[in-house]
Amino acid sequence: EVQLVESGGGLVQPGGSLRLSCAASGFTFSSYSMNWVRQAPGKGLEWVSYISSSSSLIYYADSVKGRFTISRDNAKNSLSLQMNSLRDEDTAVYYCARGITGGTLLHYWGQGTLVTVSS
Amino acid sequence: QLVLTQSPSASASLGASVKLTCTLSSGHSSYVIAWHQQQPEKGPRYLMKLNSDGSHSKGDGIPDRFSGSSSGAERYLTISSLQSEDEADYYCQTWGTGMMVFGGGTKLTVL
Repeated sequence: EVQLVESGGGLVQPGGSLRLSCAASGFTFSSYSMNWVRQAPGKGLEWVSYISSSSSLIYYADSVKGRFTISRDNAKNSLSLQMNSLRDEDTAVYYCARGITGGTLLHYWGQGTLVTVSS
Repeated sequence: QLVLTQSPSASASLGASVKLTCTLSSGHSSYVIAWHQQQPEKGPRYLMKLNSDGSHSKGDGIPDRFSGSSSGAERYLTISSLQSEDEADYYCQTWGTGMMVFGGGTKLTVL
C-alpha cells in the first residue's frame, strides 16, 4: 500500500523558516516524481514544487521561487521542502504527492501538514 | 497560458447523476488531465486520468459510478447513483511546461 506521511508543520513567524518532510513507503520511491501541493484555509489546491525521480528536474511555482527548496533522498525514501522567508500567505496545509507512473499527473496524496505563518 | 476552468458549484439529488466539467484554455485541447476528489476535512484522492479521446484509467478502489469523457477542450467527470459520500470538492489537474495547473474546483452538494 502506498503511503505518504508528511511532518514538520507548525507555527512560525513571518520571515522565519520551516522544513517539511514526507516519508514514502509501499512503492519504489526512486522511480517516481514527487510534488508539494498546498491548500490555504477555505481555498483550492495550489501546486508548489516538482522534483523528478533522479532530482535532475526541479520546478517551482512563481509564488515560492527563490524562497522554497525541494529535495529528495532516494536512499531514505524521503522528500523535503525547505521553506525560508515565510509570509502570511504561505499559511496552508501542505501535501506531499506522488506522480503517476511514467507521467507528471498526481496519483497518490499524503494527509497533509499544517503550516501557520503568524506573529 | 494554460488554464483549467471549473464551475464553482454543482448540486444533484441522492441517487441521480451529475456531470462536472473542466475546460482547457485555448490551444491546449489535447492535454491529459486528472480528476481528484476532496471530501470535507480530508486530503485529496485521485479518481482518474482522462485522455483527450475520452479514455480513462481510474485509481484503485474507485467505484464504477465514476466515469470520465472528453469533447474538444472539455473534460467531464460523471458520477451516477449519487451517494451522500460523494458530496465533496472535485479538482481537475494537468501539467504544462514546467508547471502544474489545477482548476479552481467544483463543490458538489448532494441534495
